[in-house]
Amino acid sequence: NAGVTQTPKFQVLKTGQSMTLQCAQDMNHEYMSWYRQDPGMGLRLIHYSVGAGITDQGEVPNGYNVSRSTTEDFPLRLLSAAPSQTSVYFCACRGQVGYTFGSGTRLTVV
Amino acid sequence: GENVEQHPSTLSVQEGDSAVIKCTYSDSASNYFPWYKQELGKRPQLIIDIRSNVGEKKDQRIAVTLNKTAKHFSLHITETQPEDSAVYFCAASSQAGTALIFGKGTTLSVSS
Repeated sequence: NAGVTQTPKFQVLKTGQSMTLQCAQDMNHEYMSWYRQDPGMGLRLIHYSVGAGITDQGEVPNGYNVSRSTTEDFPLRLLSAAPSQTSVYFCACRGQVGYTFGSGTRLTVV
Repeated sequence: GENVEQHPSTLSVQEGDSAVIKCTYSDSASNYFPWYKQELGKRPQLIIDIRSNVGEKKDQRIAVTLNKTAKHFSLHITETQPEDSAVYFCAASSQAGTALIFGKGTTLSVSS
């Protein structure tokens, strides 16, 4: 039981490049979320999902896409990276004991 | 949507003192209020949570209180220790608990 797994841990992108941040959970939980963390800004909700095939926007969705084809996976896509998307990204999954976070992806866009 | 305000942004205490962090929320429909601790370079970890049908909850040196009428909740840490030094985040559930909205965090420093 690995909990919530995020890959990669670190990534450097050039402006305009695209990439997908992966998030997988093995707990068979329905609710999953993506957050970005910037200094002094706390954790801001990007997108969330309440089950396979169902997603919705959070506080800061612009520039990001998500999909949820299976219960286990909830990838976050950056279609055209911008320096403003430099951040630490966390995936979270709601279980029986609150929300569990993945270890994060540190993304730098140059 | 939900908005969560957290104060103070920084808090310095001496070892053994108590620390109190306060949060307010805007959505009266929110019913779940967790607190997370995040150490440098680590992921946020749940330390305590409270639901709207409870006014107070304690777990050893940590307690959380909730005032639904005023829409605020607080974290109380007693007998602080240097290992309590971290960033603490409050959060509130939005839209039937589908996702959490976080405050901006409080950096707690406990000096010995």
